[in-house]
Amino acid sequence: SQKIEQNSEALNIQEGKTATLTCNYTNYSPAYLQWYRQDPGRGPVFLLLIRENEKEKRKERLKVTFDTTLKQSLFHITASQPADSATYLCARTGGDKIIFGKGTRLHILP
Amino acid sequence: NAGVMQNPRHLVRRRGQEARLRCSPMKGHSHVYWYRQLPEEGLKFMVYLQKENIIDESGMPKERFSAEFPKEGPSILRIQQVVRGDSAAYFCASSSGTLAVDNEQFFGPGTRLTVL
Repeated sequence: SQKIEQNSEALNIQEGKTATLTCNYTNYSPAYLQWYRQDPGRGPVFLLLIRENEKEKRKERLKVTFDTTLKQSLFHITASQPADSATYLCARTGGDKIIFGKGTRLHILP
Repeated sequence: NAGVMQNPRHLVRRRGQEARLRCSPMKGHSHVYWYRQLPEEGLKFMVYLQKENIIDESGMPKERFSAEFPKEGPSILRIQQVVRGDSAAYFCASSSGTLAVDNEQFFGPGTRLTVL
């Protein structure tokens, strides 16, 4: 079956360090992957989209990579801050809909 | 430009009652998606609608659940004869075009349904 998996349920990172979250997919080749942020009690907020022909995409302190050989996307937050603490969701295309991973809860420790 | 609106934000129902969840997409968006999020679970796709049409309902339970997006007014997700297992956060999202062509979708704040 076609799966999208985020390996870590939770991740603790010291403030100021780079947080790296992993998203793996199996048995298909998505045209693009997306990353979202979700805070408790709120809806997801779109952060970045990366297409299969792009290796890297950046937005301020965020960086996303897409490795079609490893079937993996990495999401980096540099110079992390406590305000970056949230759940981050990876998502792939599935025809006309988006399929989400379960998310990684990121805690930035002051 | 207001974002995606959902109401009510919180809904409490007793087993056997009906729940109606409303979603007003962003202005100019004609594509609406409903997702369900159970505690400690990821977002699960339920249904994709365009004005007056259901495009993909592959994630919708076969019984008790229905969705519509009329020509005028909000999209409605209807759950009949609710059971405790229906307790979840239900999110609506909208987009200006099809997601197959990497259009961005915008999420509403969700409706938290509690079934007693």
